[in-house]
Amino acid sequence: AQKITQTQPGMFVQEKEAVTLDCTYDTSDPSYGLFWYKQPSSGEMIFLIYQGSYDQQNATEGRYSLNFQKARKSANLVISASQLGDSAMYFCAMRDDAGGTSYGKLTFGQGTILTVHP
Amino acid sequence: EAGVAQSPRYKIIEKRQSVAFWCNPISGHATLYWYQQILGQGPKLLIQFQNNGVVDDSQLPKDRFSAERLKGVDSTLKIQPAKLEDSAVYLCASRRTGDSEQYFGPGTRLTVT
Repeated sequence: AQKITQTQPGMFVQEKEAVTLDCTYDTSDPSYGLFWYKQPSSGEMIFLIYQGSYDQQNATEGRYSLNFQKARKSANLVISASQLGDSAMYFCAMRDDAGGTSYGKLTFGQGTILTVHP
Repeated sequence: EAGVAQSPRYKIIEKRQSVAFWCNPISGHATLYWYQQILGQGPKLLIQFQNNGVVDDSQLPKDRFSAERLKGVDSTLKIQPAKLEDSAVYLCASRRTGDSEQYFGPGTRLTVT
């Protein structure tokens, strides 16, 4: 079974500084996908970044980068130059790529609340 | 391109009543998911459709929850009868075949009193 762990219930960062949100995962499947989603107080889930298990390079999307360390089974999200609008809940998720009936299912972590201070 | 649509956005019902939620995925997305997100937790998959067929409903409480996607487009999730512990946000997501990311709707916040 897949498991996602986010050990930081809350994080604080000063505006314009960088912040790292931790995520570790556990799976026996060689093929999987890792995602980060942002959930503002309004409730919608916003896709931020994706990393495939066979991708050689770390994924980047604007101010977001994913620090993928496969041997350590970690997929930390790095947000550079934090903005006040980055304050939200952040979820790490894993997709089952094993095929069969559960392909595409996302398993989510507990989330980390990020607060950006001015 | 229009996003995933859900209605209603908010619903308050008493326990033992029934409720239905509607979801219209992004056009062309064959896979549709319903997730339940209890306050303070990450979303949990309830059911996954591929076109109009059920792919995974292993975590759907089938004694009270049902879902359908009859024409392979929009979907309805029903709870009958509701319990207090069903209070949550119900998120619908869709994915295009071959793509990685799932796109989520705004969710329906259900309060059972």
